[in-house]
Amino acid sequence: EAGVVQSPRYKIIEKKQPVAFWCNPISGHNTLYWYLQNLGQGPELLIRYENEEAVDDSQLPKDRFSAERLKGVDSTLKIQPAELGDSAVYLCASSEGQGARNEQFFGPGTRLTVL
Amino acid sequence: DAKTTQPNSMESNEEEPVHLPCNHSTISGTDYIHWYRQLPSQGPEYVIHGLTSNVNNRMASLAIAEDRKSSTLILHRATLRDAAVYYCILQRGPNAGNMLTFGGGTRLMVKP
Repeated sequence: EAGVVQSPRYKIIEKKQPVAFWCNPISGHNTLYWYLQNLGQGPELLIRYENEEAVDDSQLPKDRFSAERLKGVDSTLKIQPAELGDSAVYLCASSEGQGARNEQFFGPGTRLTVL
Repeated sequence: DAKTTQPNSMESNEEEPVHLPCNHSTISGTDYIHWYRQLPSQGPEYVIHGLTSNVNNRMASLAIAEDRKSSTLILHRATLRDAAVYYCILQRGPNAGNMLTFGGGTRLMVKP
C-alpha cells in the first residue's frame, strides 16, 4: 500500500517568491494534516482537514499561507510571499479519522530553503 | 495544552533493552498517551499508544504509571535502525479534536 506522497522533496527559493507543496494522502483517509517542523524541534500543526473542510486552521498564518483540499483527497499548501523564517520541513499526514485509535501516517516532507 | 517532558537524548548499546521515560503530570482523564518516532530525513511514524493499561505491539511496549503522570516506552532489543527521535505525545480527547501536540522528543543513539 502506498504511503503519503509529498512533492517536491526539496525546494529552494528566494524570499518574496511564492511556493506550493502538494500532498496525496493514503487512499480512504478522510483526515489530512499539514505540519511545519523547524530544525531540532517537533512538528507543529498548521491545518487539519476533515474531507474537504478545514476544521482547525488556527495555527496557519493566514496573511501568507493558504491551503486547499479539493474533492477531499489531494491537498496543496501555499506560501506567498515566502520569508526567510519559513525555511523548514513541511510535513503532510493523514488518518482514517480523528479518533484516539487512529494513528497518523506521515509523508517524507518537503524541505524548504528560503534565501 | 497538556505537556510532556522527555530527556533530550539517551544512549544505548545494540541488542540491549532501552527504557525511554516521559513525564506528563498535567494529563487529563481523556488524554491518550502516544509515541511516535522520527528517523533521519523521514516523517514521524507511529509506535504505540495507550490510555491506562500497559500495551505491547511488535515494535515496543508501553508502561503507564498507575496515576498516569508518567510512562515509559520500552524497546526490548535496540538495533541500529532504532536510532531516531522519539516523541511522547498526549492526544487530547474528542472535545479537543483528538489532536497530537509534539514536544522536542528524545534523541536515541544506539552504539554497535
